[in-house]
This record gives sequence, C-alpha cells and structure tokens, in this order.
Amino acid sequence: SQKIEQNSEALNIQEGKTATLTCNYTNYSPAYLQWYRQDPGRGPVFLLLIRENEKEKRKERLKVTFDTTLKQSLFHITASQPADSATYLCALDILNTGFQKLVFGTGTRLLVSP
Amino acid sequence: DAGITQSPRHKVTETGTPVTLRCHQTENHRYMYWYRQDPGHGLRLIHYSYGVKDTDKGEVSDGYSVSRSKTEDFLLTLESATSSQTSVYFCAISETKGENTIYFGEGSWLTVV
Repeated sequence: SQKIEQNSEALNIQEGKTATLTCNYTNYSPAYLQWYRQDPGRGPVFLLLIRENEKEKRKERLKVTFDTTLKQSLFHITASQPADSATYLCALDILNTGFQKLVFGTGTRLLVSP
Repeated sequence: DAGITQSPRHKVTETGTPVTLRCHQTENHRYMYWYRQDPGHGLRLIHYSYGVKDTDKGEVSDGYSVSRSKTEDFLLTLESATSSQTSVYFCAISETKGENTIYFGEGSWLTVV
C-alpha cells in the first residue's frame, strides 16, 4: 500500500542547533513534494516545494532535499529558534490524475528549547 | 494570510443530525478542498472542487457531500453525523490545478456526541 512516514516522536533540540526532519514514502512516484508548518489550533502553512528533478531547495534558514531513489526528503532548519517549534508536515503530489491531490504525512513535532 | 473563512469554528452536535460546514474565500481561486485531520492519520482529502458545480470525491468521502454554487463558497455536509466524524475539518484553496501552494483555513472543530 502507499504510505508516507514521518517520525511520530517529537524532536527536541537546543536553540541554535540544526533540526533535521525526515519524510519517507513508498509506492509513490511524486512529481514534487511540499513541506508545511502547523501550529496548534491553526491550519497548515506552506513552506517549501521541491520538484523531482531538484536535489535541494533553500529558503532563508530552511533547506529541503529530495532523493527519489531513496524515496526520502529531509527538511533542515538551521540556527533553530524557539519560534520554530511547531509540527511539520510533508505532502506528496499525486499528479497522475492531472489534478493536484496532496497526500500528507502525519507530521513531526519540533520543540526548540532556549 | 489567505482570505479563507470557515464557519462554524467549533460545533457540538448529536449523532444522526445533519451538519453543514461552510468555507468562504475572497481570493477568487478556482480550486477548493475539504480535508479532515485526525491523530495518526494526518490530513485526508474528503472532497474537492475544480469550479462552480464541479466537484469530485477524495480519499474519505463516504458520509459527506459537498456543493459549490458560487466560486467563493464550498459547503461540506454531513448528512447524518456519526461519532467517527468527530474531527478537525480544514478547507483549502489553490489557484491552479498543478504544482502550486495550497492555502488552508483555520479549521472547524466538530464533535459528534
């Protein structure tokens, strides 16, 4: 069956360190992958999109990698801050239908301590 | 913030009653979606719309219906609410059908007792 896996355990790190979150998938061949941030009681907010032919994408302190051979994306936050504490969701596009349908992982909660 | 308003934001209802959630957007985006979010399942697509009166089923559409009579409004109806439909419901919009950002509303918390 098709599956997207994100670490369900919270990731605790110290302020200033780099946080690395993992998204693994099986039985999909996505054209692109997205990362979202979700704060408690709020809707997800788009962060970054990376295409299948891109190895790496950066935006300010954020970096995403996409390895279609390993079927894995890594999401990095450098110089992390307590304000980065949130749940981070990865989402894959199933583009075969010609219509954007995103399938989401369950998310990983990040806690950045001062 | 994307101009998406969901109503009601919180609702408690009894099993067997009909419930309608409303999503209103001011962005004039063509595509609208309803997702539900449950612990251990993540966000799952219920229904989506690709234009006025054009809708289709998502992954978990059983027990739900939708309507879109105007570009700006997308209604989600639970015909006869069940406890398994207790969830957080998110409306989302996107401008095009392909690779692009999806903007989410703030969510509607529904409890079926």
